[in-house]
Amino acid sequence: SQTIHQWPATLVQPVGSPLSLECTVEGTSNPNLYWYRQAAGRGLQLLFYSVGIGQISSEVPQNLSASRPQDRQFILSSKKLLLSDSGFYLCAWSVSRGQGKLFFGSGTQLSVL
Amino acid sequence: DQQVKQNSPSLSVQEGRISILNCDYTNSMFDYFLWYKKYPAEGPTFLISISSIKDKNEDGRFTVFLNKSAKHLSLHIVPSQPGDSAVYFCAARYGGSQGNLIFGKGTKLSVKP
Repeated sequence: SQTIHQWPATLVQPVGSPLSLECTVEGTSNPNLYWYRQAAGRGLQLLFYSVGIGQISSEVPQNLSASRPQDRQFILSSKKLLLSDSGFYLCAWSVSRGQGKLFFGSGTQLSVL
Repeated sequence: DQQVKQNSPSLSVQEGRISILNCDYTNSMFDYFLWYKKYPAEGPTFLISISSIKDKNEDGRFTVFLNKSAKHLSLHIVPSQPGDSAVYFCAARYGGSQGNLIFGKGTKLSVKP
């Protein structure tokens, strides 16, 4: 069966520090991968998606970047965190684009202080 | 600009009664709608979906209704159970078969024994 791992569960970082969140998927090949964020009082916002190794699409301009160095690994990064980067970050995968049925990781609660 | 709106942040229902969660959207180009359920410390999980060509989809205790003219969909849970207590997210797909999802802010449902 397929599983998705996302870590850490919680993270407290000072403003200006770097960020690296990692997500891995097991039990499937060539998944579509996604990073979502839920800021306080907001809905889940799509940040990045990837249909294959090295292929990253950004939905919103921001202080973050994403990379997919391996088929089932998706990394969210920042060189310098801002206060506005605080939120709940979720990694997800799907079998095909547009299918709508996403499988989410358990999320990372990031607090930038 | 919020294109998917869940105007009720919370809902409390007695066990055995019906729970009705509402969602409004603004973009008539959305062609597929989904509901996700999220427990604390877990990622959202897919619950039920409906295509824009239908007005109702049922799966066990869960039924989703779509009113395209009103740009409104609702999730009915009958009968409600304490285990249904969770945050429910409404999502809509844009961009057709290769599109992405836009999520609402979520509604926290509490089912009291």
